[in-house]
Amino acid sequence: AQSVSQHNHHVILSEAASLELGCNYSYGGTVNLFWYVQYPGQHLQLLLKYFSGDPLVKGIKGFEAEFIKSKFSFNLRKPSVQWSDTAEYFCAVNAKGNNRLAFGKGNQVVVIP
Amino acid sequence: GAVVSQHPSRVICKSGTSVKIECRSLDFQATTMFWYRQFPKQSLMLMATSNEGSKATYEQGVEKDKFLINHASLTLSTLTVTSAHPEDSSFYICSAIRANTEAFFGQGTRLTVV
Repeated sequence: AQSVSQHNHHVILSEAASLELGCNYSYGGTVNLFWYVQYPGQHLQLLLKYFSGDPLVKGIKGFEAEFIKSKFSFNLRKPSVQWSDTAEYFCAVNAKGNNRLAFGKGNQVVVIP
Repeated sequence: GAVVSQHPSRVICKSGTSVKIECRSLDFQATTMFWYRQFPKQSLMLMATSNEGSKATYEQGVEKDKFLINHASLTLSTLTVTSAHPEDSSFYICSAIRANTEAFFGQGTRLTVV
């Protein structure tokens, strides 16, 4: 079964700072990779996903993530955060052909105006 | 975009009673839905896979007699927490898969058992 690791559960930064959230997974086969965001009081929403092709994926709201197969990583980045990016971010993985998602523990990101 | 609706968003019940949570896919048919439980500061823990027209598949350690799942139609799955106890208090989230690709999530149900 696949597992997902996210580090630095709490991240606090100022507006306009750059954000990078790490995600590592353990699974030997081919995977699909996702980043979800949960804004306060709202449901999980998809930020971006990687199925195949260009390992640099661009998502909504200026987020991007890079799949590095050799490192089993799928780190999320945003060059300049805004106060509205305050949320919890979850990395998730599933094996190709299997819809069961494994989630990381999440990163609680707080952006200070 | 696709929408998954979960109801209720909050429920408080007495210990020993049962609570039903509904998960509906509003604009697509979902043969598979998933139920998760989320503890504070922890990840979403997959409880079970709900399959339309057949029995649910439960993850290891999840009591199927306590967490009853019914997926009676292509747009509705229900989770019933039977004989609830305070330790069942948690945040329950459902998701539905559209076209075998992307998962869409409900807004979650905060269950408090008193």
